[in-house]
This record gives sequence, C-alpha cells and structure tokens, in this order.
Amino acid sequence: AQSVTQPDIHITVSEGASLELRCNYSYGATPYLFWYVQSPGQGLQLLLKYFSGDTLVQGIKGFEAEFKRSQSSFNLRKPSVHWSDAAEYFCAVGLHGSSNTGKLIFGQGTTLQVKP
Amino acid sequence: DSGVTQTPKHLITATGQRVTLRCSPRSGDLSVYWYQQSLDQGLQFLIQYYNGEERAKGNILERFSAQQFPDLHSELNLSSLELGDSALYFCASSVELRTEAFFGQGTRLTVV
Repeated sequence: AQSVTQPDIHITVSEGASLELRCNYSYGATPYLFWYVQSPGQGLQLLLKYFSGDTLVQGIKGFEAEFKRSQSSFNLRKPSVHWSDAAEYFCAVGLHGSSNTGKLIFGQGTTLQVKP
Repeated sequence: DSGVTQTPKHLITATGQRVTLRCSPRSGDLSVYWYQQSLDQGLQFLIQYYNGEERAKGNILERFSAQQFPDLHSELNLSSLELGDSALYFCASSVELRTEAFFGQGTRLTVV
C-alpha cells in the first residue's frame, strides 16, 4: 500500500538558520508529490509540487524541494527560516495511472518551531 | 485565500445528531475532495466527486455521505454523530483529476 513517512514529528530551528524537512514515500512508481503548510487555525496551503521533469522544484515563500527517486524522498528545504514559517508541514503523494483520481495520501506532519 | 469556501467554520453538536458541511470549490474546478483531520488519524481522504459524480472513496463511514450539485458545490452529511467524529473537515478542489488541489479553511466539528 502507498504510504508517506515524515520521520520528524517536531523540529526546532533558530530564525535565520537553514531548514530541511524529510519526506519518504512508498509507491511502485513515481508519484505526484506535494508539500502543504498549515498555520494554526488555518487550512492547508500548497507550497510546491512535483509532477515530472526537473527534480528540484521551487515553491512559494522561498521553499524548495528535491525529488530523489533512488531514495524515494522529497525533502523540503529553505535556506533561511523566518519566524512566520512556524507551522505544520505536510508531505503528500498523489498517484499516477488511469485509476488515479487525484486523491492525496498525507504524511503525519512535521511541526516547525522557530526560535528567535 | 485559496478560493475554496467552507461553511460553517465551527460546528458544535450533540451525539446522535446530523450535520451538513458545505463546500464551494474554486471557480472552474470540477473536482471536489473531502478530508478529515484528527489527532489520532491525521489527514485522511474521505471521498471525491468530479463534475457531479462520485469518483473515489476512502475510509468514509457509512454514516457519512456526500454529493456534488450541478453548480459544483458539495455537501458532506454526517449522521448519528459520535464523539469520535470530532475533527477538522477539509474540502479541496482541483481543476481536473491529477492536478494540484487547493484546500479550504476547514470546518471544525465538535461533538459533545
């Protein structure tokens, strides 16, 4: 069965430091990959997506992610974290194939805390 | 603002009751998804509609049902509510199948 793993439940970084959030997926083919962010009391905002092509994708708010097929990973990075980045981050996969309807499988989320 | 509108934002109801959650997708989006977010289960896919027809079902309880209307808005009906149904219910929409989905702000349901 398809699954998404975010190994880090909680991460704390200092403002201005770099950030990497890990995401691993289990699927027999290359899935569509997404990162969403959820601020407290808010909905899910799409940060970036990977469908095909260049494995390094740029997103909003200065985030980027790299798809590594050999590692079944899609890690999210940001070179310099701002206090406003404190939120919960979700990695999600959508499945290819004619039977794929676009539904997403989400990881459990990583809560990011930013220290001043 | 994603363009997906969910109402109401908050709902408090008693066990055994029935509620209806409403979702208006982004203009032009044909596909609507419903997800449930709870502390123990995380974000779980419930059901999807595409242009008025059901396209996929996840771990949706038999007490729950949904539909998508001709104007493409969708409603999620939850009946015989139990304490464990307390959760944040999200609606998302996408232009087509297999394209990125945009989420609403969610409806927080509390069953007491």
